[in-house]
Amino acid sequence: EIVMTQTPLSSPVTLGQPASISCRSSQSLVHSDGNTYLSWLQQRPGQPIRLLIYKVSNRFSGVPDRFSGSGAGSDFTLKISRVEAEDVGVYYCVQATQFPRTFGQGTKVEIK
Amino acid sequence: QVQLQQWGAGLLKPSETLSLICAVYGGSFSDYYWSWIRQSPGRGLEWIGEINHRGGTNYNPSLKSRVTMSVDKSKNQFSLKLTSVTAADTAIYYCAREIIVARGAFDSWGQGTLVTVSS
Repeated sequence: EIVMTQTPLSSPVTLGQPASISCRSSQSLVHSDGNTYLSWLQQRPGQPIRLLIYKVSNRFSGVPDRFSGSGAGSDFTLKISRVEAEDVGVYYCVQATQFPRTFGQGTKVEIK
Repeated sequence: QVQLQQWGAGLLKPSETLSLICAVYGGSFSDYYWSWIRQSPGRGLEWIGEINHRGGTNYNPSLKSRVTMSVDKSKNQFSLKLTSVTAADTAIYYCAREIIVARGAFDSWGQGTLVTVSS
């Protein structure tokens, strides 16, 4: 199975400053159909898990534009341009190029 | 606005069968895959498997021998059964909807059910 590795595991950030999370896969996530099925999820305390980004860089409906996804092959990044208090939580990458779907370990974003 | 509401027994003894149901309110049932995902401190998020509206399934090989998923289109519900549970199956279990044309886009989640396996 594909192993997803996120760094850092914890990211203390000052309000208004950017944050960046890396996600690396143990093999390329380019599917035979040409798409790359890498998504980012957010889990905030007491809230349902939320989809932020799908297919590497597509922002899901209602997601603020301060969230952006980039990358290719096996190297991906989630960026928050200016962290707000409501962004505190744990962020996960997930691949759906191969079965079984696999998740990163999660990166905890907290305010300094 | 779709809503996923899930329920099932929260406390099981070793060797019993875990059984959860997820009801889908709003939205199409046929345009998505329907997944079960669990979360535990030791394993993080773990994909258990998925089912489509026709009953086609894909399971995680690590659980395949113990997992059965089914769908009831008349009720817009899908279910999970996991047999012979052990303490290692203790986790929060989530049902989730995945967009077929954007695999990995789990765009709606149930509230989660804490399942504890203990003698």
